[in-house]
Amino acid sequence: EVQLVESGGGLVQPGGSLRLSCAASGFTFSTSEMNWVRQAPGKGLEWVSYISSSGSNIYYADSVKGRFTISRDNAKNSLYLQMNSLRAEDTAVYYCAREGFFGSGSFPSDAFDIWGQGTVVTVSS
Amino acid sequence: DIQMTQSPSSLSASVGDRVTITCRASQSISSYLNWYQQKPGKAPKLLMYGASSLQSGVPSRFSGSGSGTDFTLTISSLQPEDFAAYYCQQSYSTPPTFGPGTKVDIK
Repeated sequence: EVQLVESGGGLVQPGGSLRLSCAASGFTFSTSEMNWVRQAPGKGLEWVSYISSSGSNIYYADSVKGRFTISRDNAKNSLYLQMNSLRAEDTAVYYCAREGFFGSGSFPSDAFDIWGQGTVVTVSS
Repeated sequence: DIQMTQSPSSLSASVGDRVTITCRASQSISSYLNWYQQKPGKAPKLLMYGASSLQSGVPSRFSGSGSGTDFTLTISSLQPEDFAAYYCQQSYSTPPTFGPGTKVDIK
């Protein structure tokens, strides 16, 4: 079964740190490009970060740049998000999501085709 | 960053109704437009990619169209399991951005 399972969420004080993990199974993680997407309570979806299959290319949303670090361990089929200097506005459900590619040619379509169930991060004193 | 807008923000419909949701990008994104469905307390689910291609396993009552800046998602005959929030997302450039969502509920 294709699956992504997040863990590591919880309650943390402003300025604190958390490390999220995402365990992948049922597909070839080592060749998959991965992302973190979050959703604040009652709000829409916000992309957070991207990492290429080898880890050589990484991107961040401006809202988390310099505070969050994405990484992966292909030997463990795992994706991580280290979150430092947390703020109240970082409170959200955090999802890991695979970036799937569709079609052939030079410019295939891509979309978030596999999602985890999410892990809740609450930043509050 | 490319801004995505959706209309309406919410709608009420009955089972069997034809429903259309519109998504607009702040600049041309060719056909790099995806649609997701999200039910309360659940992760989003990919419905459509490349503006008009149905993801595997998604019922054929869902269809998508458009290119450039204007896109639509149509549900031809609304079913009870379709009551959910729907989000568009552009994959044309980084950062990928989502529309604010359209909530479809029962009339």
